[in-house]
Amino acid sequence: DGGITQSPKYLFRKEGQNVTLSCEQNLNHDAMYWYRQDPGQGLRLIYYSQIVNDFQKGDIAEGYSVSREKKESFPLTVTSAQKNPTAFYLCASSIRGLEAFFGQGTRLTVV
Amino acid sequence: DQQVKQNSPSLSVQEGRISILNCDYTNSMFDYFLWYKKYPAEGPTFLISISSIKDKNEDGRFTVFLNKSAKHLSLHIVPSQPGDSAVYFCAASGQSGTYKYIFGTGTRLKVLA
Repeated sequence: DGGITQSPKYLFRKEGQNVTLSCEQNLNHDAMYWYRQDPGQGLRLIYYSQIVNDFQKGDIAEGYSVSREKKESFPLTVTSAQKNPTAFYLCASSIRGLEAFFGQGTRLTVV
Repeated sequence: DQQVKQNSPSLSVQEGRISILNCDYTNSMFDYFLWYKKYPAEGPTFLISISSIKDKNEDGRFTVFLNKSAKHLSLHIVPSQPGDSAVYFCAASGQSGTYKYIFGTGTRLKVLA
């Protein structure tokens, strides 16, 4: 079945730790995206990549890092520099210019 | 600066009636608009889209209208069903050809049985 898989579904991080959220797609999409959702807010763009080995910052990239070494994979690292990392993180992919398809999300909680 | 705005945080509609969700945007470079439906703790699901060369697109019970001069789009759901209760996000893309999607803050629709 084609789709986008995010893992883990729930993630707990201690203060000062880096954590990496996984996103894999088998839709053969060129573009991939990371969004963050906070209660009462929309989806805010963290990073996006339109092609392998290339990515751009979104609106709230500070404290995050990404890599795009393979077409299928776009992992997001939440670093200790991110001051408010507790949120719901969503990964998406698309054929450029068409609708984006989303994964089921990862809920990250700082403990 | 919010480029895509959904000014109604919530909407309640009786089952069988029409639901109208609204969205405004500020950037005239947007040329592709989308609506997504989202349940809590799940990823958004694509509903319907419209290109800026059109003013209407229909798919079953869902119709999206685009008014470019007013920089406004709306999603009509007819007839509304209890299963339509969810948060609806509008999104826009095409800004500077980068194909990134800018989302509104969402409208929570509740369809009352």
